[in-house]
Amino acid sequence: GAVVSQHPSRVICKSGTSVKIECRSLDFQATTMFWYRQFPKQSLMLMATSNEGSKATYEQGVEKDKFLINHASLTLSTLTVTSAHPEDSSFYICSATKAGPPTYRTNEQFFGPGTRLTVL
Amino acid sequence: QKEVEQNSGPLSVPEGAIASLNCTYSDRGSQSFFWYRQYSGKSPELIMFIYSNGDKEDGRFTAQLNKASQYVSLLIRDSQPSDSATYLCAVNDGNTPLVFGKGTRLSVIA
Repeated sequence: GAVVSQHPSRVICKSGTSVKIECRSLDFQATTMFWYRQFPKQSLMLMATSNEGSKATYEQGVEKDKFLINHASLTLSTLTVTSAHPEDSSFYICSATKAGPPTYRTNEQFFGPGTRLTVL
Repeated sequence: QKEVEQNSGPLSVPEGAIASLNCTYSDRGSQSFFWYRQYSGKSPELIMFIYSNGDKEDGRFTAQLNKASQYVSLLIRDSQPSDSATYLCAVNDGNTPLVFGKGTRLSVIA
């Protein structure tokens, strides 16, 4: 299997506070983890790519100081939304790719269940 | 810039019909192709994977790949209302991450 979990599944916070979201690969080592954001009725938007032990690569337009990503181990990545504002309310989804020899399924992404963030 | 194009829909089909979802990609060097299904408010889940030209069948789903035309499709036979979702085409060009299309919204009408 290839199970990815996220915690929390839902969070409501006040404007100005920081929120941390965890993404874990439960039964495999993840070469790379990805963070996406999805607004209602819109498509997935890649925010950043992170590899264990190195700095995340952010997509254009994503503020690295606002969305802090830490990838401390091969099974855990965290996204911290700092000083959250109502416009940060969204569905945040992580995904991971498996470490291992290259196959045609290399780079297949396994998605976590997502975290719904509401900033009041 | 590598692109994956999908018709956003909505694609409406009656229950029991065949739903045909299409995807084109720009990178001729792309190696493998994935179809994900995303229900509203949920994260994507993989339903099909294909890497060689031709058809690949799994239950009611058939993925079709034509690398010469840079075209991949997903057929859903005997469509059910529970198939109503957004279907995302994703292309592996050898690098991470996968390149995703924006998705096609399918509505199966009972």
